[in-house]
Amino acid sequence: KQEVTQIPAALSVPEGENLVLNCSFTDSAIYNLQWFRQDPGKGLTSLLLIQSSQREQTSGRLNASLDKSSGRSTLYIAASQPGDSATYLCAAPISSGYSTLTFGKGTMLLVSP
Amino acid sequence: EPEVTQTPSHQVTQMGQEVILRCVPISNHLYFYWYRQILGQKVEFLVSFYNNEISEKSEIFDDQFSVERPDGSNFTLKIRSTKLEDSAMYFCASSVVSDTQYFGPGTRLTVL
Repeated sequence: KQEVTQIPAALSVPEGENLVLNCSFTDSAIYNLQWFRQDPGKGLTSLLLIQSSQREQTSGRLNASLDKSSGRSTLYIAASQPGDSATYLCAAPISSGYSTLTFGKGTMLLVSP
Repeated sequence: EPEVTQTPSHQVTQMGQEVILRCVPISNHLYFYWYRQILGQKVEFLVSFYNNEISEKSEIFDDQFSVERPDGSNFTLKIRSTKLEDSAMYFCASSVVSDTQYFGPGTRLTVL
């Protein structure tokens, strides 16, 4: 059974810092991994999807990496801004061949001006 | 940009009542999902739907739950007899194939 763990649970940084959020998963037989952003009381916004054949995926100031062999993914946020404050969720398919996602508990990020 | 929509945004019901949560997935998407998030907890998978039938379901999705695609645009989740523990945010999601899932804004269900 796939389990997804995210560390740290919370992170507070001053504006402008680069930061890394970590995600680990137990079943490495996945074909993709997805990162989401969730604002308080709101839905999930898809940030990046990394296919198993890729090692990195970039969107603006966000860069996600995937290392299947070690069961890890990281989300790098460059030059953080107060508007980046949110909870970041990592999600992996429950098993090989399935699209259903298993989520981590998330990392709550606070970027202070 | 196309998006998944959900109605209502907030539903309050009495224990034992039936509720129907509605979703309009993105129009060219083929896979549809329901997830839920109890306050302070992880997002949990409930059910997936493809080609007019359930393709996967979790242990949470028992006989009290059902899904339907009554027409070409709506996707509904019905809870027949709500319990206090059904109180949660319910998210609908859709995807073209087994790739990026796009989530709706959620329906907050409060069971009293």
